[in-house]
This record gives sequence, structure tokens and C-alpha cells, in this order.
Amino acid sequence: GVTQSPTHLIKTRGQQVTLRCSSQSGHNTVSWYQQALGQGPQFIFQYYRKEENGRGNFPPRFSGLQFPNDSSELNVNALELDDSALYLCASSLGGQGLTDTQYFGPGTRLTVL
Amino acid sequence: KNEVEQSPQNLTAQEGEFITINCSYSVGISALHWLQQHPGGGIVSLFMLSSGKKKHGRLIATINIQEKHSSLHITASHPRDSAVYICAVRPGGSNYKLTFGKGTLLTVNP
Repeated sequence: GVTQSPTHLIKTRGQQVTLRCSSQSGHNTVSWYQQALGQGPQFIFQYYRKEENGRGNFPPRFSGLQFPNDSSELNVNALELDDSALYLCASSLGGQGLTDTQYFGPGTRLTVL
Repeated sequence: KNEVEQSPQNLTAQEGEFITINCSYSVGISALHWLQQHPGGGIVSLFMLSSGKKKHGRLIATINIQEKHSSLHITASHPRDSAVYICAVRPGGSNYKLTFGKGTLLTVNP
């Protein structure tokens, strides 16, 4: 399945954070989402074969990487209080990642103080 | 106005009842997803629809493209069905972006 680390994380405003995701084996597409408390997930961006394939309404301080070994990262610089949320990654197979069934990780709960 | 609206926001039912959760959207889409999220965050994909109806066990999902509306039905509900159910759409012409509803919190009491 899809795994994410760490499970929980506490940071202070202005710091930088890296969240990690291990995709389902063989999946070439990974998407990252931010879910604030009581809200539905918001699309951050998608990576397909190591290239950013699309981005939602998130500033450039949200960036990502996808590696050949089915792992990926979400990096957030200059953390703000509003960045506190559950961060979810989802992997899928195919060039049109979001048209295929997505497999979600359990999420990383980020708290910014 | 959100592009994806779900109703109701909260739903409480007794075990065995028939459940319906509704999703309306305002844009043309190429696919609609129903997802289940349990406390703690994990999300499971239940259905992906572009037309018609799909059934898996006690779950049934329908979509009416002309009316921009989808429903998720649960027959013979059980306490283990308690979760947040989320509708998400992929706008037509987009090959990457999913837009999510806020979710429906379902509680099934024994």
C-alpha cells in the first residue's frame, strides 16, 4: 500500500518541513493533498514520472519531488499557521493519474505553532 | 459557491437503515469519485464513475451527468460504515485536478 512519514509533526512558524510518501509499487503518479480540519482535501500538485504534472492554488513555497524508487516528498518552506492540516498523498497508475483509482496514504498531521 | 456540494453534512442512522448521500457539482466533469475517510485520516476509494451506476457489496453509486448529480447509497447500514464520505470530481479537460466536497459524516448506531 501507500505509506507516509512521519505520522505527526509539530513545527514553528517560519520553519521548513519535508513530508514523505511511498507509493504503491509500480505506480508512476503521485498526488498531494492538504486537508484542513472539517474540510475536504485540496489538491496541491501531482507528479508523473518525476515531473510536476499540475498544481492547485498553492504558492511556490509548496514544492515536491518524485524519485525512481516509488517515493516522493512534499516540501513546505516558511511555514505559516494556516499550513496546519492533514497532508495526504495518493498514488495511481497511468499518465492520466487522476482518472484512475487513487490509493491514499494514511496522512501526516502537521501542526504549526 | 463550492464547485462540489454534498448533503447532508451530518447523518445519523440506526443499524439496518438505507442511507443516501448526495453530491451536486457545477462544472462539466469527466469522472466522479466517492471516497471513504475513517477517523485518523485514511482514505479509501470506493467508486469512480463517469456514467450510470456501480455496485460493490452493500454500496451503490449512481450519477446523472445531465443533472450534475450523484448519489451514494448504503443498504443495510452497519456501525462499521460510520465514516466521512467524500465526493470528488475531475473537471472536464483537466487530466490531474480533483475537486472535493467537504464530506458527509455518517454515524450508524447499533
